[in-house]
Amino acid sequence: DSGVTQTPKHLITATGQRVTLRCSPRSGDLSVYWYQQSLDQGLQFLIQYYNGEERAKGNILERFSAQQFPDLHSELNLSSLELGDSALYFCASSVTSGGRTGELFFGEGSRLTVL
Amino acid sequence: KNEVEQSPQNLTAQEGEFITINCSYSVGISALHWLQQHPGGGIVSLFMLSSGKKKHGRLIATINIQEKHSSLHITASHPRDSAVYICAVRPHASNAGGTSYGKLTFGQGTILTVHP
Repeated sequence: DSGVTQTPKHLITATGQRVTLRCSPRSGDLSVYWYQQSLDQGLQFLIQYYNGEERAKGNILERFSAQQFPDLHSELNLSSLELGDSALYFCASSVTSGGRTGELFFGEGSRLTVL
Repeated sequence: KNEVEQSPQNLTAQEGEFITINCSYSVGISALHWLQQHPGGGIVSLFMLSSGKKKHGRLIATINIQEKHSSLHITASHPRDSAVYICAVRPHASNAGGTSYGKLTFGQGTILTVHP
């Protein structure tokens, strides 16, 4: 158990819809990272939040947005869904001090299927 | 050409064999991760390296910064090692906000199957 919790584990929805994926980082970790894993693109970094603020952005579509709340949980919002958005979405948090600085802990992922 | 290339893409071995998976990258990095992904999807971080060599049980990871190359070795492989192994690099920090530990570029993964 990595200590990172993602919900839901599975989600099936239709094109044009909007979904929200939720991530709770490990206790004490201030950073949350979102990744997308699709069959054709592999794993890609989407976005990072650190203590409530956006810190880094990757290949995130304009239809997607994220935020991190004061209790440090994060949500990834995907809107106007397309078939190509079907993927596994992972969240990770990182250790930011001490000898393990930079080590990442991943959640189990949320599998999104868009029909 | 991808920034991170892994080889081989697929690897089949017999239980007990010594296995090597290679990762080459083309950018300057501050760290390299080896990740393991089992069927069912969950990702586990095996190693984070910035130089030299690390060992954990039967797994050994090495990195050569000058040659931009890393290897993951599995000694005495076992069927439970069957998984996808993914190399990921953290490029040098380029944003004014400082290091983003999770802003990674991933290889395409190596599918390892170990037969009993």
